[in-house]
Amino acid sequence: SQKIEQNSEALNIQEGKTATLTCNYTNYSPAYLQWYRQDPGRGPVFLLLIRENEKEKRKERLKVTFDTTLKQSLFHITASQPADSATYLCALGKGDSSASKIIFGSGTRLSIRP
Amino acid sequence: GAVVSQHPSWVICKSGTSVKIECRSLDFQATTMFWYRQFPKKSLMLMATSNEGSKATYEQGVEKDKFLINHASLTLSTLTVTSAHPEDSSFYICSAPSRGQGETSYNEQFFGPGTRLTVL
Repeated sequence: SQKIEQNSEALNIQEGKTATLTCNYTNYSPAYLQWYRQDPGRGPVFLLLIRENEKEKRKERLKVTFDTTLKQSLFHITASQPADSATYLCALGKGDSSASKIIFGSGTRLSIRP
Repeated sequence: GAVVSQHPSWVICKSGTSVKIECRSLDFQATTMFWYRQFPKKSLMLMATSNEGSKATYEQGVEKDKFLINHASLTLSTLTVTSAHPEDSSFYICSAPSRGQGETSYNEQFFGPGTRLTVL
């Protein structure tokens, strides 16, 4: 069965450093991969989408890579700040219609210490 | 960006009662909405796909008679937890897909703030 793994349940880094989160998947061929941020007691917020034919995507201090051969995505936050502390979820999807489902990884809880 | 609301944000009920949770898309129409539940420090588990004007599609292992879904309009889906028991206590989140800025596909999910259900 399909499986998505976010290798670190928790990651603790110093402010100003680059945080790197990993998402690996098996038994699945996604058309795209997404990253969401979730704060405690809140719903996830969409951050970035990267398609299977894209290698890298950037948005402000965020960078996502997607390697369909390794079946892996890396999510980077550069110049990290305490306000970046949250749980980050990766999600995979195949379809482009409004009824297309996405499946989520278990998340990585990121803590940025001052 | 698109906004999705949920009501109530939290609810406490007695075992055996039914609880209704509303999910609304405030500034866009959603023919499809998704319902998830999330346990502490766990990921979102898709329960069902809510379809406007037709029956919901439930994921394997989710009891459709237990979790009733009604998508009565293009902006409202409701999830009713019937005869709730303590094991139904969880964080329930809905989402609605929409096109991201500049996108032509429905790849971006907009999530509601979630509803914390506690069954005593």
